Amino acid sequence: GAVVSQHPSWVICKSGTSVKIECRSLDFQATTMFWYRQFPKQSLMLMATSNEGSKATYEQGVEKDKFLINHASLTLSTLTVTSAHPEDSSFYICSARGPLAGEVPDTQYFGPGTRLTVL
Amino acid sequence: RKEVEQDPGPFNVPEGATVAFNCTYSNSASQSFFWYRQDCRKEPKLLMSVYSSGNEDGRFTAQLNRASQYISLLIRDSKLSDSATYLCVVFYSGGYQKVTFGTGTKLQVIP
Repeated sequence: GAVVSQHPSWVICKSGTSVKIECRSLDFQATTMFWYRQFPKQSLMLMATSNEGSKATYEQGVEKDKFLINHASLTLSTLTVTSAHPEDSSFYICSARGPLAGEVPDTQYFGPGTRLTVL
Repeated sequence: RKEVEQDPGPFNVPEGATVAFNCTYSNSASQSFFWYRQDCRKEPKLLMSVYSSGNEDGRFTAQLNRASQYISLLIRDSKLSDSATYLCVVFYSGGYQKVTFGTGTKLQVIP
Protein backbone atom coordinates (compact mmCIF):
# COMPACT_ATOMS: atom_id res chain seq x y z
CA GLY A 1 0.00 0.00 0.00
CA ALA A 2 0.87 3.70 0.23
CA VAL A 3 1.51 4.49 -3.40
CA VAL A 4 1.78 8.06 -4.59
CA SER A 5 1.84 8.95 -8.25
CA GLN A 6 2.88 12.13 -9.99
CA HIS A 7 2.12 13.31 -13.47
CA PRO A 8 3.86 14.22 -15.64
CA SER A 9 7.18 12.59 -14.84
CA TRP A 10 9.01 15.12 -16.93
CA VAL A 11 8.13 18.24 -18.84
CA ILE A 12 9.97 20.70 -21.06
CA CYS A 13 8.34 24.03 -21.66
CA LYS A 14 9.07 27.49 -22.98
CA SER A 15 9.72 30.38 -20.67
CA GLY A 16 6.51 32.16 -19.71
CA THR A 17 4.21 29.16 -19.88
CA SER A 18 2.45 27.56 -16.93
CA VAL A 19 2.92 23.95 -15.93
CA LYS A 20 0.57 21.88 -13.80
CA ILE A 21 1.82 18.88 -11.84
CA GLU A 22 -0.56 16.38 -10.28
CA CYS A 23 0.06 14.34 -7.17
CA ARG A 24 -2.26 11.47 -6.30
CA SER A 25 -2.43 9.05 -3.42
CA LEU A 26 -3.60 5.86 -5.06
CA ASP A 27 -4.57 3.61 -2.21
CA PHE A 28 -5.08 5.84 0.77
CA GLN A 29 -6.58 9.18 1.68
CA ALA A 30 -4.01 11.86 2.24
CA THR A 31 -5.02 14.48 4.74
CA THR A 32 -1.83 16.37 4.04
CA MET A 33 0.36 16.62 1.00
CA PHE A 34 3.72 18.28 0.74
CA TRP A 35 5.48 19.82 -2.23
CA TYR A 36 9.25 19.84 -2.45
CA ARG A 37 11.83 21.08 -4.88
CA GLN A 38 15.27 19.63 -5.31
CA PHE A 39 18.09 21.18 -7.29
CA PRO A 40 20.99 19.00 -8.44
CA LYS A 41 23.18 17.74 -5.61
CA GLN A 42 21.07 19.53 -3.04
CA SER A 43 18.61 18.34 -0.45
CA LEU A 44 14.88 18.48 -0.75
CA MET A 45 13.48 21.88 0.10
CA LEU A 46 9.92 22.03 1.35
CA MET A 47 7.90 24.51 -0.67
CA ALA A 48 4.48 24.21 0.88
CA THR A 49 2.18 22.09 3.01
CA SER A 50 -1.27 21.44 1.68
CA ASN A 51 -4.25 20.26 3.69
CA GLU A 52 -7.35 19.08 1.91
CA GLY A 53 -9.96 21.79 1.60
CA SER A 54 -7.84 24.62 2.95
CA LYS A 55 -5.20 27.01 1.68
CA ALA A 56 -1.66 25.79 1.43
CA THR A 57 0.97 26.99 3.87
CA TYR A 58 4.02 28.21 2.01
CA GLU A 59 7.56 28.19 3.31
CA GLN A 60 9.43 31.42 3.59
CA GLY A 61 10.76 32.59 0.26
CA VAL A 62 8.28 30.60 -1.83
CA GLU A 63 5.97 32.81 -3.86
CA LYS A 64 2.42 31.62 -3.45
CA ASP A 65 1.27 33.48 -6.55
CA LYS A 66 3.87 31.74 -8.63
CA PHE A 67 3.42 28.26 -7.22
CA LEU A 68 -0.32 27.68 -7.01
CA ILE A 69 -1.37 24.70 -4.96
CA ASN A 70 -4.79 23.14 -4.96
CA HIS A 71 -5.78 20.24 -2.74
CA ALA A 72 -9.37 19.69 -3.72
CA SER A 73 -9.75 16.10 -2.57
CA LEU A 74 -8.15 13.63 -0.20
CA THR A 75 -6.36 11.94 -3.07
CA LEU A 76 -5.29 14.78 -5.33
CA SER A 77 -3.14 17.86 -5.01
CA THR A 78 -1.87 19.98 -7.87
CA LEU A 79 1.03 22.37 -8.17
CA THR A 80 0.95 24.93 -10.95
CA VAL A 81 4.14 26.75 -11.78
CA THR A 82 2.90 29.95 -13.36
CA SER A 83 4.94 31.86 -15.92
CA ALA A 84 7.82 29.45 -15.56
CA HIS A 85 11.36 30.67 -16.13
CA PRO A 86 14.62 28.79 -16.56
CA GLU A 87 15.48 29.26 -12.88
CA ASP A 88 12.34 27.23 -12.03
CA SER A 89 13.87 24.19 -13.69
CA SER A 90 14.12 21.61 -10.97
CA PHE A 91 12.92 18.26 -9.68
CA TYR A 92 9.53 18.72 -8.04
CA ILE A 93 8.44 15.99 -5.65
CA CYS A 94 5.22 15.61 -3.75
CA SER A 95 4.57 13.50 -0.73
CA ALA A 96 1.41 12.42 0.99
CA ARG A 97 0.69 11.66 4.58
CA GLY A 98 -2.02 9.30 5.81
CA PRO A 99 -3.22 8.27 8.36
CA LEU A 100 -2.48 4.69 7.48
CA ALA A 101 -3.25 1.93 9.90
CA GLY A 102 -0.16 0.72 11.67
CA GLU A 103 2.11 3.50 10.46
CA VAL A 104 3.96 5.98 12.59
CA PRO A 105 2.13 9.31 12.44
CA ASP A 106 3.75 11.79 10.07
CA THR A 107 5.14 9.11 7.77
CA GLN A 108 5.34 10.51 4.27
CA TYR A 109 5.19 8.64 1.00
CA PHE A 110 6.76 10.26 -1.98
CA GLY A 111 5.71 10.47 -5.56
CA PRO A 112 8.30 9.67 -8.23
CA GLY A 113 8.89 13.33 -8.96
CA THR A 114 8.51 15.60 -11.95
CA ARG A 115 11.55 16.89 -13.72
CA LEU A 116 10.80 20.36 -15.09
CA THR A 117 13.03 22.00 -17.67
CA VAL A 118 12.18 25.53 -18.73
CA LEU A 119 13.87 26.69 -21.90
CA ARG B 1 22.68 26.55 13.05
CA LYS B 2 20.74 24.41 10.58
CA GLU B 3 17.55 22.82 11.84
CA VAL B 4 18.72 19.38 10.78
CA GLU B 5 22.37 18.61 10.18
CA GLN B 6 24.04 15.63 8.64
CA ASP B 7 27.58 14.84 7.61
CA PRO B 8 27.35 14.95 3.81
CA GLY B 9 30.03 12.31 3.37
CA PRO B 10 30.68 10.59 1.09
CA PHE B 11 31.25 7.50 3.14
CA ASN B 12 33.14 4.97 1.07
CA VAL B 13 33.04 1.57 2.72
CA PRO B 14 33.86 -1.98 1.55
CA GLU B 15 31.15 -4.58 1.22
CA GLY B 16 30.41 -6.21 4.53
CA ALA B 17 31.44 -3.21 6.59
CA THR B 18 29.36 -1.58 9.28
CA VAL B 19 28.67 2.09 8.86
CA ALA B 20 26.90 4.61 11.07
CA PHE B 21 25.36 7.97 10.28
CA ASN B 22 24.34 10.65 12.72
CA CYS B 23 21.88 13.47 12.39
CA THR B 24 21.33 16.33 14.82
CA TYR B 25 18.25 18.52 15.10
CA SER B 26 17.76 21.85 16.78
CA ASN B 27 14.05 21.91 17.66
CA SER B 28 13.71 20.10 20.96
CA ALA B 29 9.94 19.87 20.44
CA SER B 30 10.34 17.76 17.31
CA GLN B 31 8.09 14.75 17.44
CA SER B 32 8.70 12.28 14.64
CA PHE B 33 11.89 11.10 13.07
CA PHE B 34 12.59 9.11 9.96
CA TRP B 35 15.37 7.84 7.77
CA TYR B 36 14.79 7.88 4.02
CA ARG B 37 17.11 6.77 1.26
CA GLN B 38 17.33 8.50 -2.07
CA ASP B 39 18.93 7.03 -5.13
CA CYS B 40 20.32 9.33 -7.77
CA ARG B 41 17.58 11.23 -9.60
CA LYS B 42 14.85 9.31 -7.79
CA GLU B 43 12.37 10.18 -5.08
CA PRO B 44 13.12 9.46 -1.41
CA LYS B 45 11.89 6.14 -0.12
CA LEU B 46 11.08 5.48 3.51
CA LEU B 47 13.74 3.34 5.13
CA MET B 48 12.47 3.35 8.68
CA SER B 49 10.82 5.40 11.36
CA VAL B 50 12.87 6.08 14.48
CA TYR B 51 11.45 5.25 17.86
CA SER B 52 12.67 6.49 21.20
CA SER B 53 13.43 2.94 22.26
CA GLY B 54 15.43 2.29 19.11
CA ASN B 55 14.33 -0.05 16.41
CA GLU B 56 15.85 -2.58 14.10
CA ASP B 57 14.88 -3.79 10.66
CA GLY B 58 17.19 -6.48 9.36
CA ARG B 59 20.63 -4.98 8.90
CA PHE B 60 19.43 -1.49 9.81
CA THR B 61 19.20 -0.08 13.32
CA ALA B 62 17.91 3.37 14.19
CA GLN B 63 18.32 5.17 17.48
CA LEU B 64 16.91 8.39 18.88
CA ASN B 65 18.53 10.38 21.66
CA ARG B 66 16.15 13.15 22.66
CA ALA B 67 18.40 14.52 25.37
CA SER B 68 21.21 15.13 22.91
CA GLN B 69 18.86 15.75 20.00
CA TYR B 70 20.31 13.34 17.53
CA ILE B 71 19.27 10.27 15.65
CA SER B 72 21.50 7.61 14.19
CA LEU B 73 21.36 4.93 11.57
CA LEU B 74 23.56 1.86 11.67
CA ILE B 75 23.95 -0.38 8.65
CA ARG B 76 25.56 -3.76 9.19
CA ASP B 77 27.04 -6.03 6.53
CA SER B 78 26.86 -3.34 3.85
CA LYS B 79 25.72 -4.40 0.40
CA LEU B 80 26.46 -2.74 -2.91
CA SER B 81 22.75 -1.99 -3.15
CA ASP B 82 22.97 0.13 -0.01
CA SER B 83 24.80 2.80 -2.00
CA ALA B 84 22.55 5.83 -1.88
CA THR B 85 22.03 9.10 -0.06
CA TYR B 86 20.48 8.72 3.37
CA LEU B 87 18.20 11.52 4.47
CA CYS B 88 17.31 12.33 8.03
CA VAL B 89 13.81 13.76 8.38
CA VAL B 90 12.43 15.55 11.41
CA PHE B 91 8.78 16.37 11.83
CA TYR B 92 7.19 18.87 14.15
CA SER B 93 3.42 19.08 14.38
CA GLY B 94 2.55 21.40 17.20
CA GLY B 95 0.67 24.59 16.43
CA TYR B 96 1.89 24.27 12.84
CA GLN B 97 3.34 21.49 10.79
CA LYS B 98 6.97 21.58 9.90
CA VAL B 99 8.99 18.91 8.19
CA THR B 100 12.70 19.35 7.68
CA PHE B 101 15.08 17.23 5.69
CA GLY B 102 18.76 16.97 6.36
CA THR B 103 21.06 17.49 3.41
CA GLY B 104 21.73 13.79 3.28
CA THR B 105 24.74 11.54 3.76
CA LYS B 106 26.07 9.83 0.69
CA LEU B 107 27.11 6.21 1.08
CA GLN B 108 29.16 4.34 -1.50
CA VAL B 109 29.70 0.66 -0.87
CA ILE B 110 32.73 -0.61 -2.73
CA PRO B 111 33.20 -4.20 -3.97
